[in-house]
Amino acid sequence: KQEVTQIPAALSVPEGENLVLNCSFTDSAIYNLQWFRQDPGKGLTSLLLIQSSQREQTSGRLNASLDKSSGRSTLYIAASQPGDSATYLCAGRGAGSYQLTFGKGTKLSVIP
Amino acid sequence: DADVTQTPRNRITKTGKRIMLECSQTKGHDRMYWYRQDPGLGLQLIYYSFDVKDINKGEISDGYSVSRQAQAKFSLSLESAIPNQTALYFCATRAPAWETQYFGPGTRLLVL
Repeated sequence: KQEVTQIPAALSVPEGENLVLNCSFTDSAIYNLQWFRQDPGKGLTSLLLIQSSQREQTSGRLNASLDKSSGRSTLYIAASQPGDSATYLCAGRGAGSYQLTFGKGTKLSVIP
Repeated sequence: DADVTQTPRNRITKTGKRIMLECSQTKGHDRMYWYRQDPGLGLQLIYYSFDVKDINKGEISDGYSVSRQAQAKFSLSLESAIPNQTALYFCATRAPAWETQYFGPGTRLLVL
């Protein structure tokens, strides 16, 4: 059964700093991995999705990487802004499964 | 208008009561999902449906039931609510050809 872990649970950085959020998973036969953003009182918003055949995906200031052999994914946020403050969740879909397994999330605070 | 809507947004009920949470979508997606989120935990899948006649249990379906009334509507029922069902409930949709899931804003449920 796929397990997904995100460390740290919370992170606080000054505005303008580049930062990396980490996600690890136990099943290297992963089908894809997704990063979501969750704002208080709102649902999850998909940020990036990496297929198992891909190494990374980019969208604006966000870059997500996937290393199946080490069971790790990272979300890189460049030039952080206060508006980036939210909880970031990663979720993996195992090969042969229709289900996403979510991590517990990293709560990011960007201090002006 | 939001693509995925959930009603009610907040609900307080008592132990033993029957309660229904509703989800509607205008995205035209075949696949719909119900998740619950507990503080400090990742999202857990309750039920998912690939079309009106295809409904499947997720990892934590005990105590819950669902109904797919139409392609656009997927309801979650708690037949006899208990306090440990207090959580944030999310509905999500997905198109068959794409992996990205689109989430509703969530229903916050408190069972006393």
